[in-house]
Amino acid sequence: SQTIHQWPATLVQPVGSPLSLECTVEGTSNPNLYWYRQAAGRGLQLLFYSVGIGQISSEVPQNLSASRPQDRQFILSSKKLLLSDSGFYLCALDEQFFGPGTRLTVL
Amino acid sequence: GEDVEQSLFLSVREGDSSVINCTYTDSSSTYLYWYKQEPGAGLQLLTYIFSNMDMKQDQRLTVLLNKKDKHLSLRIADTQTGDSAIYFCAERAPDKLIFGTGTRLQVFP
Repeated sequence: SQTIHQWPATLVQPVGSPLSLECTVEGTSNPNLYWYRQAAGRGLQLLFYSVGIGQISSEVPQNLSASRPQDRQFILSSKKLLLSDSGFYLCALDEQFFGPGTRLTVL
Repeated sequence: GEDVEQSLFLSVREGDSSVINCTYTDSSSTYLYWYKQEPGAGLQLLTYIFSNMDMKQDQRLTVLLNKKDKHLSLRIADTQTGDSAIYFCAERAPDKLIFGTGTRLQVFP
């Protein structure tokens, strides 16, 4: 069965610091992977999706970037965090499986 | 454009039925989904319906789809305190899902 891992679970970072969130999946190959952000009291915003290694599609212009270095690894990054980057970041596999999420607080 | 709308809150008494509504805009959507998010957790897929169906029932859950009005609803029968969560509907667009803002369901005794 498919499993999604995300780490860290929570993160507190100062403004201007870099970011790296990791998502790995098990139990499947060549998955479609997604990064979503959920801001407090709001719905999910699709940030990036990837249909394969090295293939990244960006939904909205922003301070973040994504990479897919391996088939089952999806990384969300930033060189300099903004206050507005705070939120709950969810990695998803296709439509059915969501990771446990990473709560990011930028101070 | 792509837009999925839901009411923000719903409060029901334990044992009653809950009905959570959703409207979407993309008439070409092939699948529509309902997810549940408990506090501090990721999303859990509850059920989905194919766009050529009007209704789907799965235990206490009933999904109704009115394709003409682009209206989707989720009915939870015999609502329990464990059903308290945020419920998201989502429509399937090419290569991605479009999510609603979520409806917070509160169940009181």
